[in-house]
Amino acid sequence: DTAVSQTPKYLVTQMGNDKSIKCEQNLGHDTMYWYKQDSKKFLKIMFSYNNKELIINETVPNRFSPKSPDKAHLNLHINSLELGDSAVYFCASSQVKGNGKTEAFFGQGTRLTVV
Amino acid sequence: AQKVTQAQTEISVVEKEDVTLDCVYETRDTTYYLFWYKQPPSGELVFLIRRNSFDEQNEISGRYSWNFQKSTSSFNFTITASQVVDSAVYFCALSEAMRDAGKSTFGDGTTLTVKP
Repeated sequence: DTAVSQTPKYLVTQMGNDKSIKCEQNLGHDTMYWYKQDSKKFLKIMFSYNNKELIINETVPNRFSPKSPDKAHLNLHINSLELGDSAVYFCASSQVKGNGKTEAFFGQGTRLTVV
Repeated sequence: AQKVTQAQTEISVVEKEDVTLDCVYETRDTTYYLFWYKQPPSGELVFLIRRNSFDEQNEISGRYSWNFQKSTSSFNFTITASQVVDSAVYFCALSEAMRDAGKSTFGDGTTLTVKP
């Protein structure tokens, strides 16, 4: 019973194409995220979103857009893919519990290769 | 501007040794969050902890403990009695409090290898 699932796991596509990566969480968490990990393993957060606010990292090109049809989903759309978009993209969700502790889980990652 | 420095690029220890991973941060914010994440060789990401800058109490979770020192802008992570399964890349991160994790800045990661 996967907590955060993202599909596809692998995505190979040509430059210029538009693609989407789906993410779903079944934890009832209020906040979801997208992260990018490049080939050097550097991590960067791209977006965070809850039902009230979308926070965009200003370094993210506007070709990237998150879409949330409901609280359990945060899909990532990428237009006009470029070679430099090749990376592993992680979806995550989080919630602050009643005891004040944060709980967060990640999807297994989507390896995007742009050729 | 925010900055997170994990000066130790790689650490290698023998099983059962204690090991501390350093994290030093820079921020002009008076309130912020600090995070640690683990990435095992399999590649998945695991969230370990989020700490509010107002809460300077150290935290212990099993063999893991975190030492938050606001005076030195450090949020170090110690693994006691390390095990081979602790081998992973560990990332420290900092975020503006008002934005939760949405504006996180990550360190470059420390690769920990625990040898049997």
